[in-house]
Amino acid sequence: QKEVEQNSGPLSVPEGAIASLNCTYSDRGSQSFFWYRQYSGKSPELIMFIYSNGDKEDGRFTAQLNKASQYVSLLIRDSQPSDSATYLCAVEGRSGYALNFGKGTSLLVTP
Amino acid sequence: ETGVTQSPTHLIKTRGQQVTLRCSSQSGHNTVSWYQQALGQGPQFIFQYYREEENGRGNFPPRFSGLQFPNYSSELNVNALELDDSALYLCASSLAIGTNYGYTFGSGTRLTVV
Repeated sequence: QKEVEQNSGPLSVPEGAIASLNCTYSDRGSQSFFWYRQYSGKSPELIMFIYSNGDKEDGRFTAQLNKASQYVSLLIRDSQPSDSATYLCAVEGRSGYALNFGKGTSLLVTP
Repeated sequence: ETGVTQSPTHLIKTRGQQVTLRCSSQSGHNTVSWYQQALGQGPQFIFQYYREEENGRGNFPPRFSGLQFPNYSSELNVNALELDDSALYLCASSLAIGTNYGYTFGSGTRLTVV
């Protein structure tokens, strides 16, 4: 079992809709969770991080964490074509300093 | 405030050769991590340096080695290159050890081994 799992997609949503990206992780002891956005050929860019159960909102983005279910999600409201990218879920590894990344979910927002 | 810079941006090497990739960390960041991202995959942790010492290592063979300098810049060296080493190599800096400090990624070096 991979440590961090994401549906590779592509996930296609119309402009203005809510995009929902999901991630599960295997290490119950993980404490820190991150969402990165990566445009094709570019490096990952941090969007959100979350440490506590519940929701965390930042502009159009909401991260949701459920440690009991070992599940973290990212909601993007009012999706724009510029949101089209690969979204990487990253979870703190057992070491406490390395990030374990999922393969990423490709999001396509259609005009 | 400058970001994380990596050089070169692209590189083509022949199997069996050696390569050195360079990274200048963001101002004020004393911790540098290196990740390898193969096509269609998420980044994989190679190792981390903190104040010039290797702080931890992922599941990579010894032919992957690194250095961190007093100014906190860093090098990744790969010996005896293999075709599977073709990937995007990402350097990430942070204020200190621990993922909760957050990582700032550089733009990466695209290595192609032929």
